[in-house]
Amino acid sequence: GAGVSQTPSNKVTEKGKYVELRCDPISGHTALYWYRQSLGQGPEFLIYFQGTGAADDSGLPNDRFFAVRPEGSVSTLKIQRTERGDSAVYLCASSFGPQETQYFGPGTRLLVL
Amino acid sequence: QKEVEQDPGPLSVPEGAIVSLNCTYSNSAFQYFMWYRQYSRKGPELLMYTYSSGNKEDGRFTAQVDKSSKYISLFIRDSQPSDSATYLCAMTTTGGSYIPTFGRGTSLIVHP
Repeated sequence: GAGVSQTPSNKVTEKGKYVELRCDPISGHTALYWYRQSLGQGPEFLIYFQGTGAADDSGLPNDRFFAVRPEGSVSTLKIQRTERGDSAVYLCASSFGPQETQYFGPGTRLLVL
Repeated sequence: QKEVEQDPGPLSVPEGAIVSLNCTYSNSAFQYFMWYRQYSRKGPELLMYTYSSGNKEDGRFTAQVDKSSKYISLFIRDSQPSDSATYLCAMTTTGGSYIPTFGRGTSLIVHP
């Protein structure tokens, strides 16, 4: 079956611009996670959804970052006023529940010039 | 000091070698320990999962957890060029959101 998909696969933007990154989880997975992975580092947790609600957003670095999952399936990570330090791979993962195996998408590579 | 420490490598070995990958951690509340494999330009993929201390074997892979030393290992026997990837350790506490804390990953190169 289809895995987690993320679009776009690559995004280049200019400092100060707004970007949206999309995640399509595996069908039936109620839990959805966003991570950020900088070069040479492991994934760093951003936010976790259980259904439509953000169950844990303690990893969001500041108020420029926001994520939604309005119908409990697709999620969008939104970054306002992008900064060069936001350049990273943004990974999405989904699972049947919080203790279940997380399946990762291929990531969106964001480059802020 | 990070909660999870992992040597980034790269670790280069000949095909057929036994590979040992390791992580140390500082949070004694970690109870679940995982190893992920990440190929270039792909997302991480769960390889092994263990709870608390002990060993777990799956084919050519063996995961070990020593909670007294706060040290975990992944062994790969008869390594193959297709094992060339970055290996990430990750761990969680019990309860809460079960959000894993990842190491930075070790880059492994298995040359023919």
